[in-house]
Formats: sequence, structure tokens, C-alpha cells
Amino acid sequence: AQSVTQLGSHVSVSEGALVLLRCNYSSSVPPYLFWYVQYPNQGLQLLLKYTSAATLVKGINGFEAEFKKSETSFHLTKPSAHMSDAAEYFCAVSDRSGGFKTIFGAGTRLFVKA
Amino acid sequence: DAGVIQSPRHEVTEMGQEVTLRCKPISGHNSLFWYRQTMMRGLELLIYFNNNVPIDDSGMPEDRFSAKMPNASFSTLKIQPSEPRDSAVYFCASSRSGREVDEQFFGPGTRLTVL
Repeated sequence: AQSVTQLGSHVSVSEGALVLLRCNYSSSVPPYLFWYVQYPNQGLQLLLKYTSAATLVKGINGFEAEFKKSETSFHLTKPSAHMSDAAEYFCAVSDRSGGFKTIFGAGTRLFVKA
Repeated sequence: DAGVIQSPRHEVTEMGQEVTLRCKPISGHNSLFWYRQTMMRGLELLIYFNNNVPIDDSGMPEDRFSAKMPNASFSTLKIQPSEPRDSAVYFCASSRSGREVDEQFFGPGTRLTVL
């Protein structure tokens, strides 16, 4: 069965600092992996996705994530945080064995300090 | 495209009343998902449809919840009777599903408060 674990329910960084949000997954077959962002009072929107092409995936707003099969990880990074990055971030996993079902992590709330 | 449309955006009702949430997916998308989000339980998948057919309803909390998708452009989630613990934000999402698993596009959500 698929599962995803996000390490840290809250992460706080200073503006301009590196953002690192951690995600580990479990899947019995090659997975599809996603990062979504949710701003206050809005639905989730896609940041980036991994579908077995390049292991380093670039997304919107300067975010990127690296698929590491040996570590079953898909951590999200951004070199320099901006105040507008403050939001909740969700890692998600899906694979063919689960049909079209996507499993979302518990979310990590990112705070950016001025 | 207007994106996924949900109505109403806010609903306040009293315990025991029937609540119906509505969703219009993005045109051309053939999968539709209903989620519930609370502080305590996070984002939970309630049910999803593919080509208007319910595929997995294992996340539906109990018989008080039901969902329908009569056609490709409309779905409803009904709670009858509603209870205070049903208070949450309910999201509808749609995607194109075929050989690849595609991203889900989320609506703005319906914030439900049951008094």
C-alpha cells in the first residue's frame, strides 16, 4: 500500500534562507510523486510532479525536488525563501496499483520570518 | 477555463439538517475526487469517481454521507443528517486519468459549519 510521511508539521525559516521540506514515501511499484501548496482559504495547487523522467524536478516559484529511490525520499527545496512562500505544503504519492487514487501527507506549514 | 467550481462556498446549518455540496469539474476531466480537511485529521479522501462511476468510497465516514455523479459535469456530496463533527472544509478536485496519473485540480472548497 502507498503511504507518505512528511517530517515536521511546522518549519520556520528567515527570508532569504534555504527552504527544505522533507517527504518520504512507500510504494510497491514505481511511484508518481507530487508536491502541492495550499494558501490560506484556498484549495491545493500543484507545485511539481515526478513521473519517472528526470530525478530532479523543477516546479513553479523556484521550488524543486529530487527523487531518491535508495532513500525513498522526495524532499522539496528552494534556495531562498520569500515571504510569499508562507503556506502549507503537501507531499503526495500515487501509483498504478492504487488506480487513480493519490495519498496525501499530513502537510507541513512553512513560516517565513522577515 | 474557470477551474473546478464548488458551491456553496460557505454553509452554516443546524444539527440534523440535510446538507448538499456541489461540484463542477474541469471540462474534459474524467476523474473526480471529494476530500474533507480538518485541523485534527488533515486532508482525507472521501470518494472518487472515474468516468462518472464511483471507484473507491472507503473514505466515506458513514451512511450519513452519500455522493453522486449523474454526468461528467456535475457531482454532489450529501450529508443527512448532519452533525457538528462534520464541520470541515470540503474540497472537490478533478483530473484527467488515463495511462498516466495526472495532477489534481482543486476547487476553492466549501466551509461547512454544523451547529
